Amino acid sequence: DTAVSQTPKYLVTQMGNDKSIKCEQNLGHDTMYWYKQDSKKFLKIMFSYNNKELIINETVPNRFSPKSPDKAHLNLHINSLELGDSAVYFCASSYLGQGNYGYTFGSGTRLTVV
Amino acid sequence: AQSVSQHNHHVILSEAASLELGCNYSYGGTVNLFWYVQYPGQHLQLLLKYFSGDPLVKGIKGFEAEFIKSKFSFNLRKPSVQWSDTAEYFCAVNANSGNTPLVFGKGTRLSVIA
Repeated sequence: DTAVSQTPKYLVTQMGNDKSIKCEQNLGHDTMYWYKQDSKKFLKIMFSYNNKELIINETVPNRFSPKSPDKAHLNLHINSLELGDSAVYFCASSYLGQGNYGYTFGSGTRLTVV
Repeated sequence: AQSVSQHNHHVILSEAASLELGCNYSYGGTVNLFWYVQYPGQHLQLLLKYFSGDPLVKGIKGFEAEFIKSKFSFNLRKPSVQWSDTAEYFCAVNANSGNTPLVFGKGTRLSVIA
């Protein structure tokens, strides 16, 4: 039973395309996150949703649009993909307000834009 | 806002050597501190965490970390590394309230050679 699952694991696409990454958690957490890990392994928060409400929206291009249909799912849609979007995208979940809990991460989606 | 500095970009050790990875954070309030490990091609896994109590915390796989409040540090240690410890190690911090996202350091790559 995978706690935080992301699909697809790998995604190769051409510049200008639109793509989506899906994330689901079965831990009962109320908050989900998207992180971007660049080629130098640096992890940066992109978005966070708590019970389907957007609570964190870092400086991310408008081409990135998260959607949370329910608290167990957080999807990431990317329009007009650019070369610089190539990275590994990690989904994570936790309980908001329980900062000592830590996050549970998915296995990542490696996006390659060619 | 919180920030995290990891001093070592890449550490190379022989098997059985002792390990210490530095981590300093910047934040004015009470924090939760974490070390995550990312094995090649895998997702982040929690090694250990500190949020209160004994400043010396023990984690999985023989790792430990010490929180020194006066130095804003949370260094990771292991007395004897193994080849299987080869991975990327990330220090992370969030506010104790849990209402801020985890902020990660840039990571330290550990290579253990036979």
